[in-house]
Amino acid sequence: NAGVMQNPRHLVRRRGQEARLRCSPMKGHSHVYWYRQLPEEGLKFMVYLQKENIIDESGMPKERFSAEFPKEGPSILRIQQVVRGDSAAYFCASSTGDEQFFGPGTRLTVL
Amino acid sequence: DAKTTQPPSMDCAEGRAANLPCNHSTISGNEYVYWYRQIHSQGPQYIIHGLKNNETNEMASLIITEDRKSSTLILPHATLRDTAVYYCIVRVAGDGYNKLIFGAGTRLAVHP
Repeated sequence: NAGVMQNPRHLVRRRGQEARLRCSPMKGHSHVYWYRQLPEEGLKFMVYLQKENIIDESGMPKERFSAEFPKEGPSILRIQQVVRGDSAAYFCASSTGDEQFFGPGTRLTVL
Repeated sequence: DAKTTQPPSMDCAEGRAANLPCNHSTISGNEYVYWYRQIHSQGPQYIIHGLKNNETNEMASLIITEDRKSSTLILPHATLRDTAVYYCIVRVAGDGYNKLIFGAGTRLAVHP
């Protein structure tokens, strides 16, 4: 039973480029959450999605960040025109409504 | 903001019990206490959760005080692989909306 999968595991971008982070939830899970962890800090909630719907995006920065969870395929967290402050570990989690199971994360480095 | 208070760090000798405290004095009647841990920047790992009764699973035990204002996570025989940051989180469970709000957690160091 495969766990939550994220790719890429490491992503390097130059300032101004776009970053796309993918998350495949556990089989049968229809809830996906994205969290961000800045260096030496705790995890911060970003967005909660169900299939084709954004349920709560209260933690998403107002600009440059977007997320989707299409009917088919993985959830995508997209960061446009990245800046150095976007360097962080991005974790997604999936759930059936109770416990959340986390993926290994994507470490984004912006040069 | 997190609704819990935890000590920033703790030490434990390998093979001994690790007792990690958590204060949640403003917990509501329908909120559960959850524990997660994060080993060296890996994804957080669910450990255990409870409402008011003590709980035990293969990883740990959770002791919740009668007034539910505090709890203790017990790792009965800590190993070096239990070195991690442990997060105590309170939230409403089972309502289909379960955003986790992480605090700073307790950094547990297990030493030989």
